[in-house]
Amino acid sequence: SQQGEEDPQALSIQEGENATMNCSYKTSINNLQWYRQNSGRGLVHLILIRSNEREKHSGRLRVTLDTSKKSSSLLITASRAADTASYFCARTQGGSEKLVFGKGMKLTVNP
Amino acid sequence: DAMVIQNPRYQVTQFGKPVTLSCSQTLNHNVMYWYQQKSSQAPKLLFHYYDKDFNNEADTPDNFQSRRPNTSFCFLDIRSPGLGDAAMYLCATSRAPSGTKDTQYFGPGTRLTVL
Repeated sequence: SQQGEEDPQALSIQEGENATMNCSYKTSINNLQWYRQNSGRGLVHLILIRSNEREKHSGRLRVTLDTSKKSSSLLITASRAADTASYFCARTQGGSEKLVFGKGMKLTVNP
Repeated sequence: DAMVIQNPRYQVTQFGKPVTLSCSQTLNHNVMYWYQQKSSQAPKLLFHYYDKDFNNEADTPDNFQSRRPNTSFCFLDIRSPGLGDAAMYLCATSRAPSGTKDTQYFGPGTRLTVL
């Protein structure tokens, strides 16, 4: 499959805990992006990390990229009920303009 | 606020009855994309416009067409919807194609039901 694979596919945690989601892919990339999707809504861009970067932060979000392992992780610290959503990794590769999405991971944060 | 707008948010059509979904943007972005997302699946790119240049994905059925009359608007036409076309349709924009590191901004989506 050309898709990225998120792991785990579903995660349920308590408010205040950290949530880690992993994404793996099979081909070399230009960049990798993480998106959030609330139920029945469009996608919201969270972070873009380029292939020559290893880590990026944005507020409570931390993204790492390991190109040797072809994997990325998204860490949400001090989770809130409002973080409940599906999270997708997506990548661009080669000369293609196409953004390839993974299957997504459903995060539930219980108050 | 600059944004991507999709109308309608919910669309019901009958099997075989043509339907048009619309997307508009106030971001003045060069690129507009249409994705199909079925329940619990990843968004799947149907096609995109880079300015006036139309780029169709190889596996997009002929039943799906698109028009971009100007920078701000893009339409998705489904000529003869089948039951399998029921899905969320997402419009997105970017300043430049994502291969050049730009991010995509998504609209709220239109949920299509085919009866």
